[in-house]
Amino acid sequence: KAGVTQTPRYLIKTRGQQVTLSCSPISGHRSVSWYQQTPGQGLQFLFEYFSETQRNKGNFPGRFSGRQFSNSRSEMNVSTLELGDSALYLCASSLGQQYQETQYFGPGTRLLVL
Amino acid sequence: SQKIEQNSEALNIQEGKTATLTCNYTNYSPAYLQWYRQDPGRGPVFLLLIRENEKEKRKERLKVTFDTTLKQSLFHITASQPADSATYLCALGNAGNNRKLIWGLGTSLAVNP
Repeated sequence: KAGVTQTPRYLIKTRGQQVTLSCSPISGHRSVSWYQQTPGQGLQFLFEYFSETQRNKGNFPGRFSGRQFSNSRSEMNVSTLELGDSALYLCASSLGQQYQETQYFGPGTRLLVL
Repeated sequence: SQKIEQNSEALNIQEGKTATLTCNYTNYSPAYLQWYRQDPGRGPVFLLLIRENEKEKRKERLKVTFDTTLKQSLFHITASQPADSATYLCALGNAGNNRKLIWGLGTSLAVNP
């Protein structure tokens, strides 16, 4: 089975712009979660989508949004970028049936905001 | 507020020795705890999960303990190999259908040949 894929892998944007990141989960997985990883804060949960609906949400401002399509692929959007949004954005997929099930992470998208 | 602490300094050990990594937490009562491995430029890879009512879990050369009284988990790699060199992350989760895991910053492990 192919693993979780994320595109693009690297991105450079300037303050005030917006960005859309994409995540393709493992075939058969219906849950996709997004995380932000920075050296100082570590991994922080953004949100989880299951069957095209947001099921859980972290403590991030409304500038961070996401969606999931019927094929379980997910996109994350950040509007009005700030310097502090520079981070590695990771998505993880799972079957979505039990909260303790294994999550499989993609390689991440590294975003640099100038 | 909820806090997770892992060894902040990198751990350097000799090949063949046992590596022990620590995960301490405060202001939280997790239903389960997970350990992940992360290599540079890659996403975390799941290693082990231990539930609040379990004291110890093993998988090949890996062993995890969970002490809810001390609010601590220990992660052991026995007979360590240079290929075990990576950053190891612990993550805590609640009961219920909630994937809002709380993560430690990770401990960097270097196994020297």
